[in-house]
Amino acid sequence: GNSVTQMEGPVTLSEEAFLTINCTYTATGYPSLFWYVQYPGEGLQLLLKATKADDKGSNKGFEATYRKETTSFHLEKGSVQVSDSAVYFCALSVPYGNNRLAFGKGNQVVVIP
Amino acid sequence: DTAVSQTPKYLVTQMGNDKSIKCEQNLGHDTMYWYKQDSKKFLKIMFSYNNKELIINETVPNRFSPKSPDKAHLNLHINSLELGDSAVYFCASSQDLTSFENTIYFGEGSWLTVV
Repeated sequence: GNSVTQMEGPVTLSEEAFLTINCTYTATGYPSLFWYVQYPGEGLQLLLKATKADDKGSNKGFEATYRKETTSFHLEKGSVQVSDSAVYFCALSVPYGNNRLAFGKGNQVVVIP
Repeated sequence: DTAVSQTPKYLVTQMGNDKSIKCEQNLGHDTMYWYKQDSKKFLKIMFSYNNKELIINETVPNRFSPKSPDKAHLNLHINSLELGDSAVYFCASSQDLTSFENTIYFGEGSWLTVV
């Protein structure tokens, strides 16, 4: 089946620190990969995406590179701000899958001033 | 203009009641979805509709009944609410069923609490 695994547990870091959230996947077919973000009390927003191997998605200083060889799509940001505090979800969608998104469990990120 | 809007945003209700959540998208998309986010923030698809036709029904109890009067609307009706139904319900839409690389747009969520 199709699944996404995110690293366990919340992530707490200081402002201007480097952020990495790991995401690995298992998929039938050649998936598209997404990172969604959920700010406190809000809905899900697409942060970035990549649709083929070696593509890099980027937005708001965040980046993730589609690595087919390691089946990974790790999220990185070089210098986080307090406003980046949110829950981050990695997700995938596969061909002929009726567009259903398979989500990882999400990572709570807390940035301390 | 909000692309995917759902109402109500917050709903507190008693066990055994029947309630509905409404969703509308103004993106001209063909496909709409309901996702459920549980207390641990885990997200799972419940239903999808394409041009008013049910496509995905993900082993959801039949107390949950989606209805799509037209392709811009997908409502969720829940009968005989149970404590375990407490969750955040997200409506979403996408251009169509086949473009799996396209973005799926989510509404702001409906926070349902059953007491």
